[in-house]
Formats: sequence, C-alpha cells, structure tokens
Amino acid sequence: EPEVTQTPSHQVTQMGQEVILRCVPISNHLYFYWYRQILGQKVEFLVSFYNNEISEKSEIFDDQFSVERPDGSNFTLKIRSTKLEDSAMYFCASSDSGWTSGELFFGEGSRLTVL
Amino acid sequence: AQRVTQPEKLLSVFKGAPVELKCNYSYSGSPELFWYVQYSRQRLQLLLRHISRESIKGFTADLNKGETSFHLKKPFAQEEDSAMYYCAPFNSGGGADGLTFGKGTHLIIQP
Repeated sequence: EPEVTQTPSHQVTQMGQEVILRCVPISNHLYFYWYRQILGQKVEFLVSFYNNEISEKSEIFDDQFSVERPDGSNFTLKIRSTKLEDSAMYFCASSDSGWTSGELFFGEGSRLTVL
Repeated sequence: AQRVTQPEKLLSVFKGAPVELKCNYSYSGSPELFWYVQYSRQRLQLLLRHISRESIKGFTADLNKGETSFHLKKPFAQEEDSAMYYCAPFNSGGGADGLTFGKGTHLIIQP
C-alpha cells in the first residue's frame, strides 16, 4: 500500500540554522500539506500546496518557512533560521482530492529539536 | 473564531464498556467533520467522516448541528481501540483553516 514517507525521522539543530525536512507524497496525489505538533499540543496546519504553488497557509507559516516541490516526487519544508519554538513534530500529508474529501494521508513525521 | 474542542485529554474505560469521545465545534457555515486516529507508533489516519454516515471498527459519529457536536461512540470498547483520537472539522468555505485538528483525546482501554 503506498505511503507518505518523511526524512529525517529526527533532526537536532542549533538555533539559527537552516533545516530542510523532506517528504515523498503518494505518487498520484496532487495536494500536499505540512502540519506540525508541538509536544503536548494539537496538530496545527502550516501550509497546503497544489499545482506547484501554495494554496493556503496559516499564521504560523511566516517568512522563515518555505515549501518546494523540486522534482516530481519530493515535497520539502525549509525553515530558514530555526528558533527554539520551532521544536516540534512535523507531519507531511498528501491527498488526491484536496480538502473536500477530508482524507489526508500522513507521513510518520519528522521530529525537529532546536537547541 | 473557529474552534474545535475535545474536552477530555485522557479517557480510560474497561474493555467491553461503551466509549464516547466528545467533540464540539464552533464554526461558521456548515463544516464537514472527520475523526482521525493515531495508534501507538503508527501514523495519523482517517477513521471516519460524517458525510458518509459509516461505521468503522464499530465506531460511529453523529453530527448534531443544534449542539454543534460530533461525538465519537462505540458500544463495546476493545483493547485495540487504545489510541489518540482527533476531531477534525473542515471548513468547506476554504481559507487558512483548512482541515484543523482538536487537541486530541487519549483513549486507553483497560483489560
């Protein structure tokens, strides 16, 4: 069964460093998402991506964040200059029909620890 | 402000007992509602959606627009139901909310 895969599973970085989290969505999906979950808090929407551009983004997704689909398979989240409060689990998700179906397929997450 | 509330952070019941995981929402318009589940060491996955009115793994959820609730129920809990459950309203009107999640309820089924 096809799955969304994410790398790395865990990354530790120093404050101020750039981080790139990678995701390989399910191959025939067209909609891609990033969510994050700070420890003990709820899963928060960051950004959605469709047709090679951002379709929606939340207030959390400020200028420090960017997403890219550099080739036909990868979908990346870049944090330009990490802050302590960026420490969280980051989930990538994809779907074949966008928001309306509500069914997002999630990766296992990348845990980011900023020291 | 649009909001979803899952009042119970932790719910512990015995195997065979009924389960009800509460979810209340405060959304403009008519949101669609979903329940997602995350079993231990597994990824977040869709459990059920209100629009399909289905029963998955014995769970059902009825949308009550008057009470703005979408509680998840199962008449007889099983040990394998232990997991994190997230209520997720979707604002079909679009906007930055998209598919949002409640804080989740950790369900523990005791043998």
